Amino acid sequence: AAGVIQSPRHLIKEKRETATLKCYPIPRHDTVYWYQQGPGQDPQFLISFYEKMQSDKGSIPDRFSAQQFSDYHSELNMSSLELGDSALYFCASSVRRGGSYEQYFGPGTRLTVT
Amino acid sequence: DAKTTQPNSMESNEEEPVHLPCNHSTISGTDYIHWYRQLPSQGPEYVIHGLTSNVNNRMASLAIAEDRKSSTLILHRATLRDAAVYYCIPRRQGGSEKLVFGKGTKLTVNP
Repeated sequence: AAGVIQSPRHLIKEKRETATLKCYPIPRHDTVYWYQQGPGQDPQFLISFYEKMQSDKGSIPDRFSAQQFSDYHSELNMSSLELGDSALYFCASSVRRGGSYEQYFGPGTRLTVT
Repeated sequence: DAKTTQPNSMESNEEEPVHLPCNHSTISGTDYIHWYRQLPSQGPEYVIHGLTSNVNNRMASLAIAEDRKSSTLILHRATLRDAAVYYCIPRRQGGSEKLVFGKGTKLTVNP
């Protein structure tokens, strides 16, 4: 079965650079979520989109922005990178049915800021 | 968001049942109880969810207390592949769809 695809899987950037992470949801899924997981920490919600509109926002820094495109893929743009942005970034997708909204996660992008 | 309390860690032997508890005393009447797990170096994975009645699927069973203030995830026969961090997450139906991960339970399965 098709899964959530994230690219790149690994990314190394220097401080103050920019990074773009991409997420391709499971076909026919209409909602995309982004989570950040720092070293030794639990995943933290950043932002979500439903039908290409932002649906919820968590602890996402102002330096980060995201959008969902007409083909439902999503991109997380990160500017002025800081050492503390080094983390695993997960994308998840879901489809609204039955009120349960289970989310399916991608393998993650490991961002290292040096 | 309802607060949850789970043991930091648990151990089990392979082929034995595992009962992973979760307290969610502030859960509201419309919150579903979701369980996710995260295997090492992987993204979280949906396990099971329920509202009031006990639920079974191919991965696990979910036992929900009558007052809904606690639940237990049951793995009937633990395997080495079940070693993961297990998260109990109340989610409001029709409300915010985000998952709020608390401090889950790290399950170690011994061969």
